[in-house]
Amino acid sequence: DTGVSQNPRHKITKRGQNVTFRCDPISEHNRLYWYRQTLGQGPEFLTYFQNEAQLEKSRLLSDRFSAERPKGSFSTLEIQRTEQGDSAMYLCASSPTVSRGYTFGSGTRLTVV
Amino acid sequence: GQQLNQSPQSMFIQEGEDVSMNCTSSSIFNTWLWYKQDPGEGPVLLIALYKAGELTSNGRLTAQFGITRKDSFLNISASIPSDVGIYFCAAYLSTSGTYKYIFGTGTRLKVLA
Repeated sequence: DTGVSQNPRHKITKRGQNVTFRCDPISEHNRLYWYRQTLGQGPEFLTYFQNEAQLEKSRLLSDRFSAERPKGSFSTLEIQRTEQGDSAMYLCASSPTVSRGYTFGSGTRLTVV
Repeated sequence: GQQLNQSPQSMFIQEGEDVSMNCTSSSIFNTWLWYKQDPGEGPVLLIALYKAGELTSNGRLTAQFGITRKDSFLNISASIPSDVGIYFCAAYLSTSGTYKYIFGTGTRLKVLA
């Protein structure tokens, strides 16, 4: 297993465009998390899945954001009508059910111009 | 969003010196964790602490879960150049179906050879 994989690593988009990021967790991990990290800050929780069920969503996740994990394996995070304030590193992490330590991917850095 | 308070925010030390950093919260948590993040990568778990008062080591790293459950510290002994990076504490609480997993603001460590 190569760990948590995120694609793309970098994305530059024009304001108003839609973007989608993908996360492939460690195969035996049934929990998957999305975090957002801006420069100089720690990661901020966005949402998490246990298998295919989305169990918690942060207030940071506005209605322009949607996340899916259709078969309990990979997950996608879509941002519609991007704004400059969406520029950040989007991190995905996974864990087994009983573990409180996450394995993070390398992140997708989004720049909205 | 809510974040934990870490201090110091940054530190420059000489190779071979010991390092100490801490993390505090106004809320009680039942798990404390420490992660290290290198530039352009996701955080990597260093140590997880599950009981108040617990002291755990991982090589040159030692961390403690404060007895009040509102703080934790991380020590690095005999620092080396590859210890450079950003160290984040994280804390976890799950009660009555509510889930909270938040990160600190980070301590940036630079080691001078």
